[in-house]
Amino acid sequence: GDSVTQMEGPVTLSEEAFLTINCTYTATGYPSLFWYVQYPGEGLQLLLKATKADDKGSNKGFEATYRKETTSFHLEKGSVQVSDSAVYFCALSETGTASKLTFGTGTRLQVTL
Amino acid sequence: EAQVTQNPRYLITVTGKKLTVTCSQNMNHEYMSWYRQDPGLGLRQIYYSMNVEVTDKGDVPEGYKVSRKEKRNFPLILESPSPNQTSLYFCASSFFRSGTEAFFGQGTRLTVV
Repeated sequence: GDSVTQMEGPVTLSEEAFLTINCTYTATGYPSLFWYVQYPGEGLQLLLKATKADDKGSNKGFEATYRKETTSFHLEKGSVQVSDSAVYFCALSETGTASKLTFGTGTRLQVTL
Repeated sequence: EAQVTQNPRYLITVTGKKLTVTCSQNMNHEYMSWYRQDPGLGLRQIYYSMNVEVTDKGDVPEGYKVSRKEKRNFPLILESPSPNQTSLYFCASSFFRSGTEAFFGQGTRLTVV
């Protein structure tokens, strides 16, 4: 079945540091890929997405590129802020199952001054 | 404002006492689903619905029921809660197509003692 593997957390960075959160996936079809973010006490919200190979999703300074050859969708940001502290989830949805999301376990990011 | 509303936000109950968590969306989405979030496991789908009167099991359906009598509402029912159902629950909705954004409620933290 489908699965998503993302790096363990927590990740602790100083403000303005470079962020990478690794995400790889296994899927039988040709999935769409997502990063969702969960701020403390809130639900998940979409951060960015990519629906086909080599697409780059971007939002709020975050970027991720859909790499079919390595089945990866790593999240990056050049300079993190304290306000980026949250839990980040990588997820996929298969073409055949349309809207169902399969999530990774989440990576907690803490950014300090 | 587009939103998914869950109630209650927090609930403490005793083993075996039936409870319902409500979910409502105002975006005319066809697809609605329930997830539970547990440490180290990410989010796992409990049940989903592709439209009114159409529901199906997700990955972890045991001990839960759902109904979809109206397009906007998708309640989660625990008829006889047990301590292993202590978790953080999220309702989500989206249009029924691949690559579409899912909107999440703020979550319901359930404790079963």
